[in-house]
Amino acid sequence: AQTVTQSQPEMSVQEAETVTLSCTYDTSESDYYLFWYKQPPSRQMILVIRQEAYKQQNATENRFSVNFQKAAKSFSLKISDSQLGDAAMYFCAYRSSLSQGGSEKLVFGKGTKLTVNP
Amino acid sequence: NAGVTQTPKFRILKIGQSMTLQCTQDMNHNYMYWYRQDPGMGLKLIYYSVGAGITDKGEVPNGYNVSRSTTEDFPLRLELAAPSQTSVYFCASSDGTAANIQYFGAGTRLSVL
Repeated sequence: AQTVTQSQPEMSVQEAETVTLSCTYDTSESDYYLFWYKQPPSRQMILVIRQEAYKQQNATENRFSVNFQKAAKSFSLKISDSQLGDAAMYFCAYRSSLSQGGSEKLVFGKGTKLTVNP
Repeated sequence: NAGVTQTPKFRILKIGQSMTLQCTQDMNHNYMYWYRQDPGMGLKLIYYSVGAGITDKGEVPNGYNVSRSTTEDFPLRLELAAPSQTSVYFCASSDGTAANIQYFGAGTRLSVL
């Protein structure tokens, strides 16, 4: 079974600076998807960024980017120019490829609480 | 755009009571999911559905039941509530494409006392 590990229960960053959140995963599959979800105090789960395992290029969405190291099974999230609104729980998640008969379910890590200091 | 709507937002139950958590989506998604989130943990899958009339168990199905009579609705039934079911419950839906991105509701906070 796949597992997702987030080794940093809490992180903090100064406003306007850069922070990197770590995520590692364990799988024997070759095709899969990885996601970062943000959960602010409102509890709403919001998709931040996704990465397809077959793509070598790291995904980027505005101030958010990932460092995807497939061989190392590592998927870190970098937040540049941090803003107060970035403060939230961040969850890393894994999903098998549906096209290869994988499961539709998301496997989540335990999350990292990010604090942004003004 | 409503997206995924969950009701109620909060609920307190007594041990042994039953209730249904409602979930509806207006995106015409075939896939729907129920997760629970315990304090300090990520989400764990309870049940999911790949279309009307089709449901399957996830990682933690015990104590719950689901049905999927329409594409839009996917209610979660708790029978004989127990303190171990105190949690935040999230419903999600996805379109079943290759990326199959899941979109979440705002959650239901349930306490069983």
